[in-house]
Amino acid sequence: DGGITQSPKYLFRKEGQNVTLSCEQNLNHDAMYWYRQDPGQGLRLIYYSQIVNDFQKGDIAEGYSVSREKKESFPLTVTSAQKNPTAFYLCASSIDRQIGRGNTIYFGEGSWLTVV
Amino acid sequence: DQQVKQNSPSLSVQEGRISILNCDYTNSMFDYFLWYKKYPAEGPTFLISISSIKDKNEDGRFTVFLNKSAKHLSLHIVPSQPGDSAVYFCAARGNNDMRFGAGTRLTVKP
Repeated sequence: DGGITQSPKYLFRKEGQNVTLSCEQNLNHDAMYWYRQDPGQGLRLIYYSQIVNDFQKGDIAEGYSVSREKKESFPLTVTSAQKNPTAFYLCASSIDRQIGRGNTIYFGEGSWLTVV
Repeated sequence: DQQVKQNSPSLSVQEGRISILNCDYTNSMFDYFLWYKKYPAEGPTFLISISSIKDKNEDGRFTVFLNKSAKHLSLHIVPSQPGDSAVYFCAARGNNDMRFGAGTRLTVKP
């Protein structure tokens, strides 16, 4: 089955710790994204990548880092510098960044991160 | 800055009736709009889209209407079914960027 796999689904982190969320896709998509969702807010873009070894900051990149060493994988690290990391994180991909007819964004099931 | 707004956090309708979900946007550069549906514990899935050159797009029970002058779009579901109960996100594309609304939770009662 083609799709996007995020892990872990639930993660608890102590303050001051870094944590990495995994995202793997087998859709052969070039573009990948990380979004964050907070209650009452829309999905906000953290980072995106259009191609291997390239990634760009989104609207709320501070306190996060990513890598894109393989086309299939786009892990997100939530660093201790992120002031309010408790949120729902969604990984997504698309054929390329030109969203439109025949090219929509596909999402993973999400990862819940809680800082304790 | 929320360029895409879904002002109703929740909506409840009776099975068989029409569900109307609304979305407003502020950026006139948006030229393509999408609706996504999200069930609990799952990621959002694409539902229907519309280009800014159209004012209506229909797919089965789902119809999206676009009013560019009002910067408003709506999703109509007719007839509504209990399986439609989910969170619906409105999204807009502009300048190679995507913006999402906060979502509306639809509950369809049997």
